[in-house]
Amino acid sequence: SAVISQKPSRDICQRGTSLTIQCQVDSQVTMMFWYRQQPGQSLTLIATANQGSEATYESGFVIDKFPISRPNLTFSTLTVSNMSPEDSSIYLCEGLASGGTEAFFGQGTRLTVV
Amino acid sequence: SQKIEQNSEALNIQEGKTATLTCNYTNYSPAYLQWYRQDPGRGPVFLLLIRENEKEKRKERLKVTFDTTLKQSLFHITASQPADSATYLCALANQAGTALIFGKGTTLSVSS
Repeated sequence: SAVISQKPSRDICQRGTSLTIQCQVDSQVTMMFWYRQQPGQSLTLIATANQGSEATYESGFVIDKFPISRPNLTFSTLTVSNMSPEDSSIYLCEGLASGGTEAFFGQGTRLTVV
Repeated sequence: SQKIEQNSEALNIQEGKTATLTCNYTNYSPAYLQWYRQDPGRGPVFLLLIRENEKEKRKERLKVTFDTTLKQSLFHITASQPADSATYLCALANQAGTALIFGKGTTLSVSS
């Protein structure tokens, strides 16, 4: 099984600033995804991080607000740009193993925007 | 639109009993369904996967069933223990197996 290291684990940020979250996988995964989980809610898919090309965003999420990079098979970043208090949430990255039948999550980043 | 429902937000049972959690879905034809456990402040942890052509899957004290006609999965924990207390999420994978849609989760509390 793969292990995903996600950082930072938490942060408190001023509105209008940006935060970049990193995920490092200890082995190759075929796909990586970024989710948001608000208190008491389930995970909402933000985008699929594509290696070497632009991410594929879900409805309601745009690249200008959530730019994503994936320069190789084991690393991805998500930036939350021009933050507002509504962006306060837990952000999670996920890696999908080869064969697509097992998924691994990072520990999550708890973001508070003040 | 696609919808996933987990039977209740909270389930309280006594130690030693069997916990049964339900996941129903509509407007979706998943390639497979997964169950995850999530503890407070942590990311989900994969437990079991069951494919659309499988009826039942077991792993130690866990059992998952999948009925594509009823569009329902049942997740059972037998001989439950206080350590099983957590939120359990079901997730459906699209036919390409490239993305997951999650239910809101059921928070299980096992009392001793």
